[in-house]
Amino acid sequence: AQKVTQAQTEISVVEKEDVTLDCVYETRDTTYYLFWYKQPPSGELVFLIRRNSFDEQNEISGRYSWNFQKSTSSFNFTITASQVVDSAVYFCALSEAGNTPLVFGKGTRLSVIA
Amino acid sequence: SAVISQKPSRDICQRGTSLTIQCQVDSQVTMMFWYRQQPGQSLTLIATANQGSEATYESGFVIDKFPISRPNLTFSTLTVSNMSPEDSSIYLCSVERYDEQYFGPGTRLTVT
Repeated sequence: AQKVTQAQTEISVVEKEDVTLDCVYETRDTTYYLFWYKQPPSGELVFLIRRNSFDEQNEISGRYSWNFQKSTSSFNFTITASQVVDSAVYFCALSEAGNTPLVFGKGTRLSVIA
Repeated sequence: SAVISQKPSRDICQRGTSLTIQCQVDSQVTMMFWYRQQPGQSLTLIATANQGSEATYESGFVIDKFPISRPNLTFSTLTVSNMSPEDSSIYLCSVERYDEQYFGPGTRLTVT
């Protein structure tokens, strides 16, 4: 069975600090996809990234970066120089290949304080 | 990206009544997924809706409580039947397109 664990329930940082959100997953599939979503207080889910299991290259997008390590079954998310607008709940999720539903972690609530 | 709309965006309903939530996608998709997010919780899959066949429900969700229709490739409805306060949640539909999973804006349901 697939499982996603986000051990950090809540994180609070001061603006401009870097913060890393942890995600550990379990799956027996050799092909799978990993996702990160942001859910601001307004409630909508904002897609951040999708990574397939064959691509272990780290990804950087502006202040966001992702570290995918199959050896430790982790897909961690780092926000550099955090801003108040980054305050949200962040979800890590996992799916099998191709048009299948997502299994979500419990989410990490990030609060960035000015 | 996929444009997904949901109606209603929010509602307050009395216990024992039913509410039908609509999900409209801007282009044809094979599968649509319905999720529930209870207050302060993560998202849980309710069912997968394939056009032309019965929806497939996850453990803990039954068709009598959450009937789903999928009349065509761009539209689906989820009904929350005989509601109780425990059904107060955000209900989201989701589709996959171009290897990305997109979510509708959600329907925020409060049952009193």
